[in-house]
Amino acid sequence: AAGVIQSPRHLIKEKRETATLKCYPIPRHDTVYWYQQGPGQDPQFLISFYEKMQSDKGSIPDRFSAQQFSDYHSELNMSSLELGDSALYFCASSPRGGGGSDTQYFGPGTRLTVL
Amino acid sequence: AQSVTQPDIHITVSEGASLELRCNYSYGATPYLFWYVQSPGQGLQLLLKYFSGDTLVQGIKGFEAEFKRSQSSFNLRKPSVHWSDAAEYFCAVVRTGGGNKLTFGTGTQLKVEL
Repeated sequence: AAGVIQSPRHLIKEKRETATLKCYPIPRHDTVYWYQQGPGQDPQFLISFYEKMQSDKGSIPDRFSAQQFSDYHSELNMSSLELGDSALYFCASSPRGGGGSDTQYFGPGTRLTVL
Repeated sequence: AQSVTQPDIHITVSEGASLELRCNYSYGATPYLFWYVQSPGQGLQLLLKYFSGDTLVQGIKGFEAEFKRSQSSFNLRKPSVHWSDAAEYFCAVVRTGGGNKLTFGTGTQLKVEL
């Protein structure tokens, strides 16, 4: 079965650079979520999209922005990177608007390292 | 404040032994409840979930969890642990009527001794 695809899997950037992470949801899933997992921490919700509109927002820094495109893939754009942005970034997708009872299926994550 | 608590940061069990991982939540209404497993460097895989109905839910890989409303708990169990179960386990909730984002507990790292 098709899964959530994230690219790149690993990314190394310098401080103050920009990064773009991509997420391709499971086919026919219309809702995408982004989570950030710092070293030794639990995943923290950043932002979500339903039908290309932002549906919820969590602790996402102003330096970050995201969007969902017409093919339902999503991109997380991160600017002015800081050392503290080093983390594993997960994308998850769910069907049917992502009602609370719908399962979120996670991708393998993108490991971002900021030097 | 709403939260998800996993009291045990690390647990070590012998292969073949039984396992119970604890999870408590503090919400006004019963949230949707999930258990996810994360192997090193990997994504999060759903083990099981509870929304309503039978309070004992079965999941993949031989895991089960029991919802106890009186204790605000959703503990994960497995009768006989395999070495391949070594991983980090996260309890997570979606607050009913409050958006669809998952709020995770701090995780329990499971080590299996052969």
